[in-house]
Amino acid sequence: DQQVKQNSPSLSVQEGRISILNCDYTNSMFDYFLWYKKYPAEGPTFLISISSIKDKNEDGRFTVFLNKSAKHLSLHIVPSQPGDSAVYFCAASLPYGGATNKLIFGTGTLLAVQP
Amino acid sequence: DVKVTQSSRYLVKRTGEKVFLECVQDMDHENMFWYRQDPGLGLRLIYFSYDVKMKEKGDIPEGYSVSREKKERFSLILESASTNQTSMYLCASGLAGGETQYFGPGTRLLVL
Repeated sequence: DQQVKQNSPSLSVQEGRISILNCDYTNSMFDYFLWYKKYPAEGPTFLISISSIKDKNEDGRFTVFLNKSAKHLSLHIVPSQPGDSAVYFCAASLPYGGATNKLIFGTGTLLAVQP
Repeated sequence: DVKVTQSSRYLVKRTGEKVFLECVQDMDHENMFWYRQDPGLGLRLIYFSYDVKMKEKGDIPEGYSVSREKKERFSLILESASTNQTSMYLCASGLAGGETQYFGPGTRLLVL
């Protein structure tokens, strides 16, 4: 039972254009959503997050949109750069109890930005 | 800057060996996590800990155990390594009540 889904395994975009990465979820109890970027042979690095009570969060070239009614979020990268080429993981935070949150990850989308 | 370090980047072990993977964080985080990453499956939570000597099972704990004797250190133990435990193992840490987790560089384990 996959609670966080990234249905596109890969995406190819031209440098300078917009990259849009999508993520769907099923659990209404998620309180935060996060995007991580991962290069080969490295650990994931945190990129941007959004609270479940917001619908948009922006940080430089990165914007995350949340549509709660559709249980869908997306990451927009504008303009895309070759250095953005990586695997992007969507993650959802689930309060576990006390002061702990569990992260549920999607399967990732490989973004290739062509020069 | 948060720093999470893992004891080895690459490890090759034989089936049946006991394997220790060590993780250390320097930001005084209460929570620590162990994941494995496999192609097409994303990151899956093995175990986590919210305090010293406390541990909770994640989604795939079978074949693994953990130890947290000090706040900054979280160890993953494969009691008897098997070939299906060949994977990338990722450690993460985070603040109590915080949703963001910070990851180490990972250990790529090959079990022959």
